[in-house]
Amino acid sequence: QKEVEQDPGPLSVPEGAIVSLNCTYSNSAFQYFMWYRQYSRKGPELLMYTYSSGNKEDGRFTAQVDKSSKYISLFIRDSQPSDSATYLCALSSGGYQKVTFGTGTKLQVIP
Amino acid sequence: DAGVTQSPTHLIKTRGQQVTLRCSPKSGHDTVSWYQQALGQGPQFIFQYYEEEERQRGNFPDRFSGHQFPNYSSELNVNALLLGDSALYLCASTVSGVQLEQYFGPGTRLTVT
Repeated sequence: QKEVEQDPGPLSVPEGAIVSLNCTYSNSAFQYFMWYRQYSRKGPELLMYTYSSGNKEDGRFTAQVDKSSKYISLFIRDSQPSDSATYLCALSSGGYQKVTFGTGTKLQVIP
Repeated sequence: DAGVTQSPTHLIKTRGQQVTLRCSPKSGHDTVSWYQQALGQGPQFIFQYYEEEERQRGNFPDRFSGHQFPNYSSELNVNALLLGDSALYLCASTVSGVQLEQYFGPGTRLTVT
């Protein structure tokens, strides 16, 4: 069993839709939860990270963590064509520990 | 403010050869991590360099080695290349060994034929 599972998609939505991206994990030692966005032929870009269970909001993006279910989500409100990219979840057991990435979900927002 | 830079952009090598990839961290950053990203996969952690030492290592063979220089730039060396080493190699930088809030470079696309 992989430490982090993420549906690779592709996920195709119309402009303005609410997008839900998810990851599940098996290692209860993970304490830090991150979401990266990766455009084609570019390196990943950190969107946000959270430490605890609950929600964290940043503009149109909301990260949600449920440690009891080992389930993390990223919601994108009012999705735009410029949001079309691959979204990677990333987890770590500590600030100095290595980061484990999911496989990424490819998102396409259609105008 | 320069971000993370990597060179070269693309590279084609033959099986059995050796390759060196280079990375300059974001200004103010002193820690460099290297990742391998195969097509359709997430980045896999290779190792991290901080204070010119390898601090952590992922599940990669000894064919993968690295170095960090006093100016915090770093090199990734891969010996005895295999076809399976074909991937995007990403460098990420951060501060004081903390792996959170990493900034990634654009990567080096390595093709092994």
